Amino acid sequence: QQQVKQSPQSLIVQKGGIPIINCAYENTAFDYFPWYQQFPGKGPALLIAIRPDVSEKKEGRFTISFNKSAKQFSLHIMDSQPGDSATYFCAASSDAGNNRKLIWGLGTSLAVNP
Amino acid sequence: NAGVMQNPRHLVRRRGQEARLRCSPMKGHSHVYWYRQLPEEGLKFMVYLQKENIIDESGMPKERFSAEFPKEGPSILRIQQVVRGDSAAYFCASSPRLSGANVLTFGAGSRLTVL
Repeated sequence: QQQVKQSPQSLIVQKGGIPIINCAYENTAFDYFPWYQQFPGKGPALLIAIRPDVSEKKEGRFTISFNKSAKQFSLHIMDSQPGDSATYFCAASSDAGNNRKLIWGLGTSLAVNP
Repeated sequence: NAGVMQNPRHLVRRRGQEARLRCSPMKGHSHVYWYRQLPEEGLKFMVYLQKENIIDESGMPKERFSAEFPKEGPSILRIQQVVRGDSAAYFCASSPRLSGANVLTFGAGSRLTVL
């Protein structure tokens, strides 16, 4: 049973477009929602994270939107660039500070065409 | 600061052989985590170690898999008698001693192929 459902599995956008990746969860005890970015041949790297006390968080061109009532959160990439082409993973945790509890989505492969 | 170093980056083994994967955490990090990434799947937690201690191995298969993080040297994930289903990318991550936050730094991974 996948506790964190991520969609779409893959996404292709043109440069300058705004790809949106969605994640849904069931466990209302989750209180930490990070996004990781993984380039081919590399390990995942923390991109941005949000806690449920806010509905939106921005860091540069990356924005997380969080809908607590719908149990959904999404990643938006503004003015996407070819260098953003990577696999993006959402995750969730019910124990902030406990890395073992991170539950990962299956990933979204993003391609940004020039 | 060299980051989290994993080796080998690629490892090919035949069924029944042993695989040893090494991980050196970032300087100043004393917590090590191992994750497995199967094709078309997200990362799955395997084991969490501190120096000379296995803190949580709830994600480790019960047989053939073991991990250690000795006082000196890298953390090692050992897979005995490998089978084709063990083919995956194995990622190591580290975090500071008192991180208090879910800040993991990942290595580039070791890709195991079992023939």
